[in-house]
Amino acid sequence: GQQVMQIPQYQHVQEGEDFTTYCNSSTTLSNIQWYKQRPGGHPVFLIQLVKSGEVKKQKRLTFQFGEAKKNSSLHITATQTTDVGTYFCAPSGGYQKVTFGTGTKLQVIP
Amino acid sequence: GAVVSQHPSWVICKSGTSVKIECRSLDFQATTMFWYRQFPKQSLMLMATSNEGSKATYEQGVEKDKFLINHASLTLSTLTVTSAHPEDSSFYICSAALPGNEQFFGPGTRLTVL
Repeated sequence: GQQVMQIPQYQHVQEGEDFTTYCNSSTTLSNIQWYKQRPGGHPVFLIQLVKSGEVKKQKRLTFQFGEAKKNSSLHITATQTTDVGTYFCAPSGGYQKVTFGTGTKLQVIP
Repeated sequence: GAVVSQHPSWVICKSGTSVKIECRSLDFQATTMFWYRQFPKQSLMLMATSNEGSKATYEQGVEKDKFLINHASLTLSTLTVTSAHPEDSSFYICSAALPGNEQFFGPGTRLTVL
């Protein structure tokens, strides 16, 4: 199937600045998960969004699922160096199969 | 959360040899596990779905005769890269999920084929 696209591919921000990554699909998604992968590490589950227009927050992270369930976003407020890594959106399909988006690599400059 | 382990964490082999990678769910039973491959600076690509007690389901473009998957028990799935070549060098990651729940990923196995 077609891979879900994320923009931007890379983002460098100064520590304390905000960061947003966008995830876009050409098809309607039943749900979407977000993962973070630190350099050299494995993906770690962050959250799952299911409902149209859903917004969830985790401390400085805000996740949103579009009304049409074709796009999603992750916004980090006041980035910290610990936020460094690659963020993937990942639609989940039948039998819990997860396919990863193209990812956005975040670099935070101290 | 649940723990998934992989062994080995890294392996270097000669071209033409076969390499087996193990994926274990340590504290839960997983009827389904997944195998991914990640090339440098790229996303994770799903290779196959490993089903306990039955044949694996491979994604389009993944050679089932080259990447042999065996899910012999509810806690163990193995991926064997047969007749490995340098282009098979990659980061192989497995995952397992509790029904209706998030996926837990293993730490990955870095394969280098000389």
